[in-house]
Amino acid sequence: QQQVKQSPQSLIVQKGGISIINCAYENTAFDYFPWYQQFPGKGPALLIAIRPDVSEKKEGRFTISFNKSAKQFSLHIMDSQPGDSATYFCAASMGNTPLVFGKGTRLSVIA
Amino acid sequence: GAGVSQSPSNKVTEKGKDVELRCDPISGHTALYWYRQSLGQGLEFLIYFQGNSAPDKSGLPSDRFSAERTGGSVSTLTIQRTQQEDSAVYLCASSLLGGGDTQYFGPGTRLTVL
Repeated sequence: QQQVKQSPQSLIVQKGGISIINCAYENTAFDYFPWYQQFPGKGPALLIAIRPDVSEKKEGRFTISFNKSAKQFSLHIMDSQPGDSATYFCAASMGNTPLVFGKGTRLSVIA
Repeated sequence: GAGVSQSPSNKVTEKGKDVELRCDPISGHTALYWYRQSLGQGLEFLIYFQGNSAPDKSGLPSDRFSAERTGGSVSTLTIQRTQQEDSAVYLCASSLLGGGDTQYFGPGTRLTVL
């Protein structure tokens, strides 16, 4: 049973556009929702994370929107750049348990 | 400082052979994780070590897979009698406190079973 569902599987965005990746979770006990970014040949790296006490968190061009009632959260990348082209993973965890990852979204930003 | 390192970076083996994959976590990190990344399948949790607690082995796909962490530092993932479906990138991560703490990933070991 997949606990975190991520969409879309792949995404192509024009340079300067907004990239949006969505995740939905099932377990209401999850209390930590990070996004990881992975470039080819590298391990994933933490990009931005949110806890359910806030509905939005912004760091530079990256924003997480969190909807607790809908059990959904999304990553928005404003003014997308070719250097943002990577695979993005959402994840969730609760307490001292390991992260549960979504299946990833391959983002391509074209000039 | 030094990040998480893994060795080897690439491993090609024949079906039926045993392999050992090594992970050196960030010094001082109490938690260590192993994941498997197959094409289009995201990150599959394998095993989690936290301090001196018994490891969480709930993600290991079969009894051919095992892992140990010696002295609370270096970890080795062993796959016995490898099968072609074991071909994947094996990623190790460590975190300072475990749980929801930030995980720092190594570059992975790409395993190919012929």
